[in-house]
Amino acid sequence: DAGVIQSPRHEVTEMGQEVTLRCKPISGHDYLFWYRQTMMRGLELLIYFNNNVPIDDSGMPEDRFSAKMPNASFSTLKIQPSEPRDSAVYFCASSLERRGTEAFFGQGTRLTVV
Amino acid sequence: RKEVEQDPGPFNVPEGATVAFNCTYSNSASQSFFWYRQDCRKEPKLLMSVYSSGNEDGRFTAQLNRASQYISLLIRDSKLSDSATYLCVVNKAGTDKLIFGTGTRLQVFP
Repeated sequence: DAGVIQSPRHEVTEMGQEVTLRCKPISGHDYLFWYRQTMMRGLELLIYFNNNVPIDDSGMPEDRFSAKMPNASFSTLKIQPSEPRDSAVYFCASSLERRGTEAFFGQGTRLTVV
Repeated sequence: RKEVEQDPGPFNVPEGATVAFNCTYSNSASQSFFWYRQDCRKEPKLLMSVYSSGNEDGRFTAQLNRASQYISLLIRDSKLSDSATYLCVVNKAGTDKLIFGTGTRLQVFP
């Protein structure tokens, strides 16, 4: 398996533009997580899905952020409109079982909003 | 109080040294604990799980102290390749969430 695949790897956009980040989890994994990493705050969990259903989105910073998982092999994280403070590395991760099992991370999307 | 707290470091140690990191967590009901490693500009990867009885993997030893709510990672005979950020990870009690500490940076020098 190729692991968790994220695209794009890098994104530079202007403030106010819509940004869509994509993730393909490892086949057969039941859980998908979206994290954001910054120097100041570290890795923050934004939202996670179980069997394509959003379970907890309490980490989503505000209404400008939304996430979907239309099927077991694809998820998106959308920011509309984007702001400079959204600049960060966004990671997608998936895991096979609940608790006690490691999460496998994608390589991340480095987002810069200017 | 943060759910998971770590000393950010950096810890600068010579090759061959022994170094230890601690991490504290706030929720006594947490069930699962891990150490992840993150290299510069890379994704986090699992280093090892932490079991109640403590566990060892080569030069790495992880321990859990539930009474004091902390976990530790000991690295013996440090290698240059051990230079990285080490992330303490705790499963949030009653959920499937993994909560990450902000990481401890280790730099091993020749």
